Amino acid sequence: GAVVSQHPSWVICKSGTSVKIECRSLDFQATTMFWYRQFPKQSLMLMATSNEGSKATYEQGVEKDKFLINHASLTLSTLTVTSAHPEDSSFYICSARGTGADYSNQPQHFGDGTRLSIL
Amino acid sequence: AQSVAQPEDQVNVAEGNPLTVKCTYSVSGNPYLFWYVQYPNRGLQFLLKYITGDNLVKGSYGFEAEFNKSQTSFHLKKPSALVSDSALYFCAVRAASGGSYIPTFGRGTSLIVHP
Repeated sequence: GAVVSQHPSWVICKSGTSVKIECRSLDFQATTMFWYRQFPKQSLMLMATSNEGSKATYEQGVEKDKFLINHASLTLSTLTVTSAHPEDSSFYICSARGTGADYSNQPQHFGDGTRLSIL
Repeated sequence: AQSVAQPEDQVNVAEGNPLTVKCTYSVSGNPYLFWYVQYPNRGLQFLLKYITGDNLVKGSYGFEAEFNKSQTSFHLKKPSALVSDSALYFCAVRAASGGSYIPTFGRGTSLIVHP
């Protein structure tokens, strides 16, 4: 159980295009979803936290107009990288946490990540 | 503010030998502690967690971790390492009550198991 599906797994596109990444919880309802960025051989950098039906909370230094996050349902969150440039190339990972009274002590369930390469 | 330290960027161990990946934390009050593993080009997989109770926690793939409150540590251990254990390991913490509900991750430790 607790599967998170992230698509696409790999994207290569030209500079200036927008890219949408989907994150779905397949067998549970995710009240909260997290979006991370990971550089080679480095830790996870939390970009934003989204709660279903409300606006995402962005971490300091993350441009909300650049990285659009939508969490319209309890099973789907999307990250759109708008007008992507080579410096946006990275590995993006989503994770989700379920609902319920004890959600706070539950682990996060991660997608397999999206490798974004901007030419 | 809560924080996690993984003091070793890389741990090398021979197959069959015991392994330890270190983690220390700082948090207000009692902690919830987690270990995750990441294989190349994949997301993180949950290994084990400490919430309350027994200080020795057993998890997936033969891994275990010991919660030590006085030393604020939660080291990951395995009695006999496998080559397939080679991966990136992350420790995470959040406060059991109050504070941020968002877990804080360590910088990760690369475990390399040599045949």
